[in-house]
Amino acid sequence: QKEVEQDPGPLSVPEGAIVSLNCTYSNSAFQYFMWYRQYSRKGPELLMYTYSSGNKEDGRFTAQVDKSSKYISLFIRDSQPSDSATYLCAMRDYNQGGKLIFGQGTELSVKP
Amino acid sequence: ETGVTQTPRHLVMGMTNKKSLKCEQHLGHNAMYWYKQSAKKPLELMFVYSLEERVENNSVPSRFSPECPNSSHLFLHLHTLQPEDSALYLCASSQDQQGRETQYFGPGTRLLVL
Repeated sequence: QKEVEQDPGPLSVPEGAIVSLNCTYSNSAFQYFMWYRQYSRKGPELLMYTYSSGNKEDGRFTAQVDKSSKYISLFIRDSQPSDSATYLCAMRDYNQGGKLIFGQGTELSVKP
Repeated sequence: ETGVTQTPRHLVMGMTNKKSLKCEQHLGHNAMYWYKQSAKKPLELMFVYSLEERVENNSVPSRFSPECPNSSHLFLHLHTLQPEDSALYLCASSQDQQGRETQYFGPGTRLLVL
C-alpha cells in the first residue's frame, strides 16, 4: 500500500473551471502538508503549505487539510492554461525525522 | 529560474559507462538531496547530505555513489547502471534537513540507460 495516494490523471478542464486535486494518506505521523507544482522539463516548486486542519487561501489557490480523514486537497479557481502542470502533494513523516513523502502527482491540463 | 542548477540536463549512457551528475545550489543552504522521479511514481529520496555529511541513504544500489565536497555542490556518480535506472534525477537543497524548511529543486537530469 502506498503511503500517499494521488490520482495520476491526466485531468483535463476548460479554462475558468474550478479544479480539485486530492491526496489521501495512511500514517498519522504525517504532518506539514505541501503542494508542489512541476512544469514540464522543470523541477517541482513549492506552491502552498499548511500545518493544521482547515483551509489556507493564496490567490486562486486553496489548500484544505482534514487530518481526521487523512485527506488533503488543492483547489484552483478560475483555472488558466498556465496552470497546466503536474501537481504533487507532499507531507513530512516525523517518525522518519521529517522526511518528505510525495504522492505520484496529478497531471493537469487547462484548455483555452 | 531557481537557485539550484543541475548538469547535464539530459544524459544517455550505456550500461558499462561511468558518468556523473552535478548539482550546485546558490542559496546558502546546508542540506542537499538527490531524488529519483520515474514516470507515474512518487519522488524517491535517494540521499541526504547535511553540512557535507551523508545523513541518509535510502537503500540505494551501490551503482549510485554520491559525493558532497562542500555545502554548495553535490554529485551523483553513476556506473554499470541498468535500464530501469532511466528516470529524472532531481537535486534539492534546504536550509537544514529537519523541521519545516522548504526544499528547493533543480530542473533535473533526464537519464536514459540503454
